[in-house]
Amino acid sequence: AQSVTQPDIHITVSEGASLELRCNYSYGATPYLFWYVQSPGQGLQLLLKYFSGDTLVQGIKGFEAEFKRSQSSFNLRKPSVHWSDAAEYFCAVGPQAGTALIFGKGTTLSVSS
Amino acid sequence: DTEVTQTPKHLVMGMTNKKSLKCEQHMGHRAMYWYKQKAKKPPELMFVYSYEKLSINESVPSRFSPECPNSSLLNLHLHALQPEDSALYLCASSQAWTAIYNEQFFGPGTRLTVL
Repeated sequence: AQSVTQPDIHITVSEGASLELRCNYSYGATPYLFWYVQSPGQGLQLLLKYFSGDTLVQGIKGFEAEFKRSQSSFNLRKPSVHWSDAAEYFCAVGPQAGTALIFGKGTTLSVSS
Repeated sequence: DTEVTQTPKHLVMGMTNKKSLKCEQHMGHRAMYWYKQKAKKPPELMFVYSYEKLSINESVPSRFSPECPNSSLLNLHLHALQPEDSALYLCASSQAWTAIYNEQFFGPGTRLTVL
C-alpha cells in the first residue's frame, strides 16, 4: 500500500540555521510528490512539487527538495530559516490519476531566536 | 486568478442548526474537493467532485451533504452536526480528477465549531 512517512513530529531550529525536513514514501512506480506548508488556522500552501526530470526542485520562500529514488525520500531543505517559517509542513504523494493524495502526518517546525 | 476562496472563515453552530459552507474557484478546474482537518493532523478527504458529479464519498455521514451547482462552485451543507465534527474544513480544486499531474490548490478553510 502507498504511504508517506514524516519521521519527525516536531523540530526546533534557531533563526538563521539550516533546515531539513524528512519525507519517505512507499510506492511502486514513480510518485508525484508535494510539500505543503500550513500556518496556524490557515489553509495549505504548495511549497514545491516533483513530477519528473531534475531531482532537485526549487520552490517558493527559498525552499528546495531533492527526490532520491534509491532512498524513497523527498526531503525539504532551506539554508537559512526565518521566524516566519514556523508552521506545519506536510509531505504528500499523488500516486496516480483518479486516486487521492496521501499525506504524511506532518512536521511542526518551531523557530527559536 | 490562482485562488480558491471559502466562506465563511469561521462558523459556530448548534447541533440542531442547518448551515452551509461555500467554496469558489475561477481557474477552470474541473475537480473540486472537501477535506476535514483536525488540529495537528493531516487533511482527510471527504468528497471529490469531477465535472460537477460526485466521484468519491469517503463514507462521510449523511449529516454532511455536498453540492456542486456549477464548475466554479462547491457547497457543503451541514445539518444535525455533532461536537466531534468541529474542525477546519478545507476546499481544494485541481485541473481534473483523472489528470496525471493532479496538483491541488487549497482554500484558506472554514473553522467550524459545533456546540
